[in-house]
Amino acid sequence: EAQVTQNPRYLITVTGKKLTVTCSQNMNHEYMSWYRQDPGLGLRQIYYSMNVEVTDKGDVPEGYKVSRKEKRNFPLILESPSPNQTSLYFCASSLIAGGSYEQYFGPGTRLTVT
Amino acid sequence: AQKITQTQPGMFVQEKEAVTLDCTYDTSDPSYGLFWYKQPSSGEMIFLIYQGSYDQQNATEGRYSLNFQKARKSANLVISASQLGDSAMYFCAMREGYAGGTSYGKLTFGQGTILTVHP
Repeated sequence: EAQVTQNPRYLITVTGKKLTVTCSQNMNHEYMSWYRQDPGLGLRQIYYSMNVEVTDKGDVPEGYKVSRKEKRNFPLILESPSPNQTSLYFCASSLIAGGSYEQYFGPGTRLTVT
Repeated sequence: AQKITQTQPGMFVQEKEAVTLDCTYDTSDPSYGLFWYKQPSSGEMIFLIYQGSYDQQNATEGRYSLNFQKARKSANLVISASQLGDSAMYFCAMREGYAGGTSYGKLTFGQGTILTVHP
């Protein structure tokens, strides 16, 4: 089954404790992206990757890091989480060329930083 | 300036009736795509429908259709014969640019419209 998986689905952590949210897709998509969703703001892009070893900032990259060492994986790293990073996070992937470029979303990770 | 505007924070519709969710967009890029996603209370993002900027006809997918008015920069979602399961948040989103452009691939989302279907 074609899918994007994220782990963990729920996470409660404390300020300053480094964490990683994993994202993996099995569709051989070149493009992967992280979004955060906050009430009244819709979804905003954090980082994206056009292919292995190619990453770039989205609209709200501060406080986040990413890496793309393998095509299927795109982890999101919070080196020193703060309460303003409490949010719902989505990983998404798509093809770069051909079709509607529909982005397939993971199930979301609900993060709470206390 | 907002790139995607959804002016209806909430909408109500009677079961089996049609409803239109509004979306206007702003771009100077001639090549772009418009998407609608549904987010039920469980939180996942479900792709509904896509319209390319060069598509001549309005997109349709089952009970969903996209009323694309390019000159007015609007891409309204029409849901026909509403069902109770249609109650959810609906997001309009736009993808700009050509492959290799700096913003290529990014989906810009509107703030969403909460649709409630009454029995």
